[in-house]
Amino acid sequence: DTEVTQTPKHLVMGMTNKKSLKCEQHMGHRAMYWYKQKAKKPPELMFVYSYEKLSINESVPSRFSPECPNSSLLNLHLHALQPEDSALYLCASSLEGQQNTEAFFGQGTRLTVV
Amino acid sequence: AQKITQTQPGMFVQEKEAVTLDCTYDTSDPSYGLFWYKQPSSGEMIFLIYQGSYDQQNATEGRYSLNFQKARKSANLVISASQLGDSAMYFCAMREAGLRIQGAQKLVFGQGTRLTINP
Repeated sequence: DTEVTQTPKHLVMGMTNKKSLKCEQHMGHRAMYWYKQKAKKPPELMFVYSYEKLSINESVPSRFSPECPNSSLLNLHLHALQPEDSALYLCASSLEGQQNTEAFFGQGTRLTVV
Repeated sequence: AQKITQTQPGMFVQEKEAVTLDCTYDTSDPSYGLFWYKQPSSGEMIFLIYQGSYDQQNATEGRYSLNFQKARKSANLVISASQLGDSAMYFCAMREAGLRIQGAQKLVFGQGTRLTINP
């Protein structure tokens, strides 16, 4: 199994809503990532978890709250988002400590904030 | 300072022709890795090929090869015998060993090149 599964695939939420994005992998990867990708732009790193601990937060606003409940799951909790937060949110995982291995990406969640 | 530069916003190629997508990078770290990803309209980032900074030979994966010129800091992707299904966005990315934090590493992407294959 070389898949990273993200749910939901599409999400529309109001600015007062609370929602969560979910990411799951069963490849035994201990590094997991959240990226944000605006239209026609490259992905930008948001958070990195290594062994279920947050190791990198790229100065992301607190309305985005990541969580790694176990080695296979990664969540991104969303609250009080702004329309400019509308984007494709990509989850990825990789073998921890291995520089020459690729990151595997999910298909992303297309988020629209109204 | 931009670490990864892809100078071709868009490219149009006839089916079955070879195509080269340019990528230059900037780093002072002697240990780094370079990746190419394909992103179709569905959104998923699909890994294509990897080149390590200490690798002596250019990487190849099927129809994909990486033209690695270390002194010029370039890592161009070559796709041979292009197919209609190759139409997608292509991203060059770099991972620097010096940015390892507790084993996790940052992957920095270029702006991408949109490749269109014409029948």
